[in-house]
Amino acid sequence: DAKTTQPPSMDCAEGRAANLPCNHSTISGNEYVYWYRQIHSQGPQYIIHGLKNNETNKMASLIITEDRKSSTLILPHATLRDTAVYYCIVDGYGGSQGNLIFGKGTKLSVKP
Amino acid sequence: KAGVTQTPRYLIKTRGQQVTLSCSPISGHRSVSWYQQTPGQGLQFLFEYFSETQRNKGNFPGRFSGRQFSNSRSEMNVSTLELGDSALYLCASSFSDVNTEAFFGQGTRLTVV
Repeated sequence: DAKTTQPPSMDCAEGRAANLPCNHSTISGNEYVYWYRQIHSQGPQYIIHGLKNNETNKMASLIITEDRKSSTLILPHATLRDTAVYYCIVDGYGGSQGNLIFGKGTKLSVKP
Repeated sequence: KAGVTQTPRYLIKTRGQQVTLSCSPISGHRSVSWYQQTPGQGLQFLFEYFSETQRNKGNFPGRFSGRQFSNSRSEMNVSTLELGDSALYLCASSFSDVNTEAFFGQGTRLTVV
């Protein structure tokens, strides 16, 4: 079973920040938090990952709480092309990313 | 560089038949994994291969099998197809066995009739 809990759906206005929460209260010390997204009919796409520090890349920012029991993925300026299902995944350090346990994810709808 | 390539993209098979799906990973990637995606069960891990060895296996019946070749290309086979095997089959590759991102192909849409 997935080790994460996410809201099933969220809406966001185009141009606004999209904040997607994820609960991973049973995360252990050596497990990373990964985010992937899946745009309709395509394979999942890697977004970002982190251990305990906040991370930022060209696509998004990842904010992990100090106790590491939850995190938030932030898309700073959402566009219509960001409409997708977003998956939060907990995976152990040293893992090959070859055994990802996907939950149901959050379906993000970006509206004009 | 080229991404993960899966062939064929679409496939229609009859119950009881068998099917072989192919995946070519990104050049240099040695880990290849397979996933099944259905509307009811979501994305489920099938198996992972690394350097021609199966490293992990998901909870699927023995009708589902796979292999990896020396050039890292991988195939998965499903024998005695059932209607419930209709799904999108996704292949993912990653560079090595350290913590890196996985790159997914576009998938093969299998329909069993």
